[in-house]
Amino acid sequence: DQQVKQNSPSLSVQEGRISILNCDYTNSMFDYFLWYKKYPAEGPTFLISISSIKDKNEDGRFTVFLNKSAKHLSLHIVPSQPGDSAVYFCAATPQTGANNLFFGTGTRLTVIP
Amino acid sequence: KAGVTQTPRYLIKTRGQQVTLSCSPISGHRSVSWYQQTPGQGLQFLFEYFSETQRNKGNFPGRFSGRQFSNSRSEMNVSTLELGDSALYLCASRTIPGAHNEQFFGPGTRLTVL
Repeated sequence: DQQVKQNSPSLSVQEGRISILNCDYTNSMFDYFLWYKKYPAEGPTFLISISSIKDKNEDGRFTVFLNKSAKHLSLHIVPSQPGDSAVYFCAATPQTGANNLFFGTGTRLTVIP
Repeated sequence: KAGVTQTPRYLIKTRGQQVTLSCSPISGHRSVSWYQQTPGQGLQFLFEYFSETQRNKGNFPGRFSGRQFSNSRSEMNVSTLELGDSALYLCASRTIPGAHNEQFFGPGTRLTVL
């Protein structure tokens, strides 16, 4: 039972344009959300996070939006750069109790120069 | 500061065998988690160890087990290997458990079961 879903396995974007990666979750107990980026032959690295008390968090070119009522979050990358080409994983967890991460299946982003 | 290291990086086993994977966390990190990554399922949580105690366990059969040593290094063991156990096994460490404490991942061990 996949509690975090990334329905787009891949996305291609021109350099300089906006990349929008989407994620949906089903578990109402999740109140902390993260995005990880993974290059081949490397482990995932943390990118940005958001708590359920916010609806937006920004860090440089990366912005995460959270819509709690729709149980949906998205990662915006503006402007996209070729070095952003990687697999992006969305993850969710409750902030209390056992807070292991529940991951989506990932979206492979390709930024075309 | 050195990152999370995992050994071996690649492993080939046959069905029915057992395997032990090792993870050395970042110095000072006392929590170690293990994840299985497969193409169709993404990353799935196996278990987390903190101060040598299993703190949390994912939905995996008892063939998957782990332990943590006093120096925070961790091992996971899979017994009676099945073809479906072929995956990338990732280890992650953090200072202590807690949603806001960033997990740092190692490069993973690629296990192939023939």
